Amino acid sequence: DGGITQSPKYLFRKEGQNVTLSCEQNLNHDAMYWYRQDPGQGLRLIYYSQIVNDFQKGDIAEGYSVSREKKESFPLTVTSAQKNPTAFYLCASSSGSDGPQPQHFGDGTRLSIL
Amino acid sequence: GQNIDQPTEMTATEGAIVQINCTYQTSGFNGLFWYQQHAGEAPTFLSYNVLDGLEEKGRFSSFLSRSKGYSYLLLKELQMKDSASYLCAGHGGATNKLIFGTGTLLAVQP
Repeated sequence: DGGITQSPKYLFRKEGQNVTLSCEQNLNHDAMYWYRQDPGQGLRLIYYSQIVNDFQKGDIAEGYSVSREKKESFPLTVTSAQKNPTAFYLCASSSGSDGPQPQHFGDGTRLSIL
Repeated sequence: GQNIDQPTEMTATEGAIVQINCTYQTSGFNGLFWYQQHAGEAPTFLSYNVLDGLEEKGRFSSFLSRSKGYSYLLLKELQMKDSASYLCAGHGGATNKLIFGTGTLLAVQP
């Protein structure tokens, strides 16, 4: 079945450590997105990519980095510069067709500080 | 600016109908999306409107008035499993970005 796979489901980070969250999709979608969700809050956009080898900062990009070397993969690195990384991270993808297209989400990665 | 408002919490009774409202103050939105999110899970897409009017999908319907910056999600024949957060999101144009509201937590009671 086509879908979006995020791994790991749970991740723990030590102080000063960089960690990378994986996001893979086999939906042949051009656009991919990373969101952060904190308890009781909505989704906030970290980075997005509309096409391979290109990506743009979202609203809260500081302390994060991404790459988009392949259409199906959009990994997110949470760097040590991100001082409050504990959150639920969601990856999404959407078709690049003209007009508004729904975004479809992976199951998420829950990141905590050790 | 871009701002999406929806009620924080709502309560409804099993078998009833509930309407969840969403208002937005923005220019540039060219679509309004609704997602359902159960606790600890990812959002799942429910419905979207690009043009004014009502879109019906089984027990779920969504309405949009672009001139009023207003949308609602209508849930009929409520079931206990409908207890979840419902997220309203505006589509940001050419970038295909979505701007999410903080969500409405719906509790369905017996």
